[in-house]
Amino acid sequence: DSGVTQTPKHLITATGQRVTLRCSPRSGDLSVYWYQQSLDQGLQFLIQYYNGEERAKGNILERFSAQQFPDLHSELNLSSLELGDSALYFCASSPDPANTGELFFGEGSRLTVL
Amino acid sequence: GENVEQHPSTLSVQEGDSAVIKCTYSDSASNYFPWYKQELGKGPQLIIDIRSNVGEKKDQRIAVTLNKTAKHFSLHITETQPEDSAVYFCAASKGGSYIPTFGRGTSLIVHP
Repeated sequence: DSGVTQTPKHLITATGQRVTLRCSPRSGDLSVYWYQQSLDQGLQFLIQYYNGEERAKGNILERFSAQQFPDLHSELNLSSLELGDSALYFCASSPDPANTGELFFGEGSRLTVL
Repeated sequence: GENVEQHPSTLSVQEGDSAVIKCTYSDSASNYFPWYKQELGKGPQLIIDIRSNVGEKKDQRIAVTLNKTAKHFSLHITETQPEDSAVYFCAASKGGSYIPTFGRGTSLIVHP
């Protein structure tokens, strides 16, 4: 158990809809990362937050947004969903990215868009 | 940005054999190279990592080597066991943000 909690574990929705994925980082970790894992693209970095502030952006679509709240949990919002958004979405946390480099991953949220 | 290539995509070995997974990276500024293991239904978990000031690192049956000149690094697993069956990801990142760029993964199957 990595200590990172993601909900929901599974989500099935229709095209055009909007969903919110939630992540609670390990106790004490200030940094949260979101990754998308699909069969053809591997693990793609979406966005990173550090202590409530956006720190880095990767290949995140404009239809997607995220935030990190004062209690350090994070939410990833996916809107106007398309079939191609079906994937596993992972959240990871780390205490301070400058210290160790290790990311602790949750078990993921599997999104299916029909 | 950084680009990480990983080979092979699938590796099938007999229990007790060794397994080697190879990765190359493109950004010469990368200085941290972690390896993650992802079991079915789980998130990736760090199994070993190496920094650019080291050429080799071992932890029991697993070892990682790094060749900075050639920009490639490898994971070696000796005396493989069925519980080693999983998807392995290599990654590369730079100091400061340590946001890893992952390879596409290698599915390792260890046959009993």
